[in-house]
Amino acid sequence: SAVISQKPSRDICQRGTSLTIQCQVDSQVTMMFWYRQQPGQSLTLIATANQGSEATYESGFVIDKFPISRPNLTFSTLTVSNMSPEDSSIYLCSVRDQGVRETQYFGPGTRLLVL
Amino acid sequence: AQKITQTQPGMFVQEKEAVTLDCTYDTSDQSYGLFWYKQPSSGEMIFLIYQGSYDEQNATEGRYSLNFQKARKSANLVISASQLGDSAMYFCAMRGPPHNKFYFGSGTKLNVKP
Repeated sequence: SAVISQKPSRDICQRGTSLTIQCQVDSQVTMMFWYRQQPGQSLTLIATANQGSEATYESGFVIDKFPISRPNLTFSTLTVSNMSPEDSSIYLCSVRDQGVRETQYFGPGTRLLVL
Repeated sequence: AQKITQTQPGMFVQEKEAVTLDCTYDTSDQSYGLFWYKQPSSGEMIFLIYQGSYDEQNATEGRYSLNFQKARKSANLVISASQLGDSAMYFCAMRGPPHNKFYFGSGTKLNVKP
């Protein structure tokens, strides 16, 4: 399985500011995903990061709030813009392997607290 | 519509005993995949086990096994010989239509008692 790293692992931010989360994979992958997990909740897909094109956002998530970059097949960033306390969550990067199972593997997550 | 249902918000199990975590799913597609993940307090999502819809045998990975009952649309996770390190949130997930999307259940918090 792919080895995925995320930076930062955690951060405390002031409302109104922005934070960029980086996701690095040790192998080339076609499909990368960004998830949000609010406290005590399950995972919610924010968007699919497409290499060479704009990300595909899920209902309720917009590019102005969560801009995503995917410059190559091993790296992606998610920015959380103009943060409010409601953005306090764990943000998880995920990749899907290209075998028959199409298993999704996750990075260690970025734990964000917005004050 | 809810695709994955986990009805047990929390479970307790005695160390060294077996525990079953319930998961039911909803799909009309014939081809799908079922997954279980473990999320310790650190927040990382750890892949545990996979079951394909066409697999005739239940999947097993070490102390983890998946009790797959296709007609009932259930995919329960069985952890044998529980260890203190098994204390975590457990999420059931399904890969299915549209677009082979992943759907996650609400999770079950497992506490292993010494």
